Amino acid sequence: DQQVKQNSPSLSVQEGRISILNCDYTNSMFDYFLWYKKYPAEGPTFLISISSIKDKNEDGRFTVFLNKSAKHLSLHIVPSQPGDSAVYFCAASTRVGAGNQFYFGTGTSLTVIP
Amino acid sequence: EPEVTQTPSHQVTQMGQEVILRCVPISNHLYFYWYRQILGQKVEFLVSFYNNEISEKSEIFDDQFSVERPDGSNFTLKIRSTKLEDSAMYFCASSERKGAAKNIQYFGAGTRLSVL
Repeated sequence: DQQVKQNSPSLSVQEGRISILNCDYTNSMFDYFLWYKKYPAEGPTFLISISSIKDKNEDGRFTVFLNKSAKHLSLHIVPSQPGDSAVYFCAASTRVGAGNQFYFGTGTSLTVIP
Repeated sequence: EPEVTQTPSHQVTQMGQEVILRCVPISNHLYFYWYRQILGQKVEFLVSFYNNEISEKSEIFDDQFSVERPDGSNFTLKIRSTKLEDSAMYFCASSERKGAAKNIQYFGAGTRLSVL
């Protein structure tokens, strides 16, 4: 049951450059998408979200793009910093309201090289 | 900053034993969740809980699992008779009350359950 897929298990980027993390989904009912960041021995930490009525949401160095026709979203981090090194999970749900389960991807481990 | 806290951080148990994983959600949140992550796999939803009852559960959440909010602050996950395949990291999460503009679930650091 791979409704949310992150096909790149790892990514390495030089400090200061752009990091692009990708996520694909199969369920056309998904209408709310989030990115979480996870450090070792910690729980996932919310980073940024986007609802299906938008195609872009920006928060500082982080921008999420949503392409509904392609069922694809991406997270851009510009500029990348060593502290961004973590595992990034995309998640999706079928309703914006609270109380709904998230479907997670398998994660992409980002390493930002100083 | 308010956070979700989970205890213990690591629980070791024998197969067939009962375990209770504990969570203190963020105080003004009313929706609570349990997820698990088996080593090397994705984070999987187990159950959501609202107004003292289960609002959604996955196929993983069978009769061996139960959740409870025994008082105004704790939220627990009980596994009645643990199996080897229950070994995983268990995450508790909470989110704001119904009608919130964003369903952001805030996660605890997790409890690593090791079944021997």
